[in-house]
Amino acid sequence: SQTIHQWPATLVQPVGSPLSLECTVEGTSNPNLYWYRQAAGRGLQLLFYSVGIGQISSEVPQNLSASRPQDRQFILSSKKLLLSDSGFYLCAWSVKGGAFFGQGTRLTVV
Amino acid sequence: GENVEQHPSTLSVQEGDSAVIKCTYSDSASNYFPWYKQELGKRPQLIIDIRSNVGEKKDQRIAVTLNKTAKHFSLHITETQPEDSAVYFCAASPTPSGGYNKLIFGAGTRLAVHP
Repeated sequence: SQTIHQWPATLVQPVGSPLSLECTVEGTSNPNLYWYRQAAGRGLQLLFYSVGIGQISSEVPQNLSASRPQDRQFILSSKKLLLSDSGFYLCAWSVKGGAFFGQGTRLTVV
Repeated sequence: GENVEQHPSTLSVQEGDSAVIKCTYSDSASNYFPWYKQELGKRPQLIIDIRSNVGEKKDQRIAVTLNKTAKHFSLHITETQPEDSAVYFCAASPTPSGGYNKLIFGAGTRLAVHP
């Protein structure tokens, strides 16, 4: 069966520091991969999606970036975090249907 | 691009009553409509979905209906229980020829079921 791993679960980072969140999927090949962000009490905003290695589409302009160095690995990065980057970051995968989410990373920028 | 609107934003019902959450979408190319349940502090979990070639789908106490002409779809929960309390999200996805889906979510509905 397919599983998705996302880490870390929580993260507190100072403003201006870099960020790297990693997500890996097991049990499937060539999944579509997504990064979503959820502000406190809000909905899910699609940040990036990827249909294959090295293929990244950005949905919103921001100081975040994403990379897919391997088929089942998706990384969310930032060179310098802003206070507004705080939120709940969710990685997800899909093949032909609904997206399945990782456990999420709660990021607090201080 | 696709835009999904979800109503109501909050819903409070008594245990045993029914709950209905409605969503509308803008992109007529959308053909896949999942619903997610998110408990506090947890990840969203897929609970039911429907494709555009189907008008209704049921799974025990939950059902979804889709009206493609009007571009709206709904989640129905019958015989609600306190453990149904959560935030529910609808989503819509156009499926291009490449086969991938890009889910666009509604803003969510916070459902509270009171004993």
